[in-house]
Amino acid sequence: ELQLVESGGGLVKPGGSLRLSCAASGFTFSTYTMNWVRQAPGKGLEWVSSITSSSNYINYADSLKGRFTISRDNAESSLYLQMNSLRAEDTAVYFCVRDKEDWGQGTLVTVSS
Amino acid sequence: QSVLTQPPSASGTPGQRVTISCSGSSSIIGSNYIYWYQQLPGAAPKLLIYRNYQRPSGVPDRFSGSKSGTSASLAISGLRSEDEAHYYCAAWDDSLSGVFGGGTKLTVL
Repeated sequence: ELQLVESGGGLVKPGGSLRLSCAASGFTFSTYTMNWVRQAPGKGLEWVSSITSSSNYINYADSLKGRFTISRDNAESSLYLQMNSLRAEDTAVYFCVRDKEDWGQGTLVTVSS
Repeated sequence: QSVLTQPPSASGTPGQRVTISCSGSSSIIGSNYIYWYQQLPGAAPKLLIYRNYQRPSGVPDRFSGSKSGTSASLAISGLRSEDEAHYYCAAWDDSLSGVFGGGTKLTVL
């Protein structure tokens, strides 16, 4: 059974950092493009970043470039999102998404003093 | 404001057919496949339609998608109470980026 389990969310002060993880199982992780998508409380979905199967190509939403870094470890079947210089507007549930299809349950990031 | 425009709300009675629109530019909708996601309250989004009109296995054929020009639509026939949810359209392109519509809240009256 396919599983995507995000972790690493929590409460962080403005300007702080967090590293989100997504543990994948039930499929051949190394063959899929992976994505992060976020959803602010009560708001819609927002694409954050994507990374190809071999990490050859990476892209970010324009508003996030320079602060967030996506990476993956195919040996560990894991996806990561390093988030730096966090702002209140980064408060959201962050979802790990396999290709365009399968979503994890998300992890909540709250940026507040 | 989203690059893809959806009506914020839609409604219908059980058994009815409802459609939800998704409009955008030719460079977004016209050049990319459209995907539709259903998000039930408190849950993660679930893929309903991929590549404009294809249904993943397990998605009832009451759900259908279409695309024409710079707009796409999701149709739900035989509306049921369990269809009450938020629906999002999305475009994913080959340059490894995605864009979502603002979402439509569907209410089953």
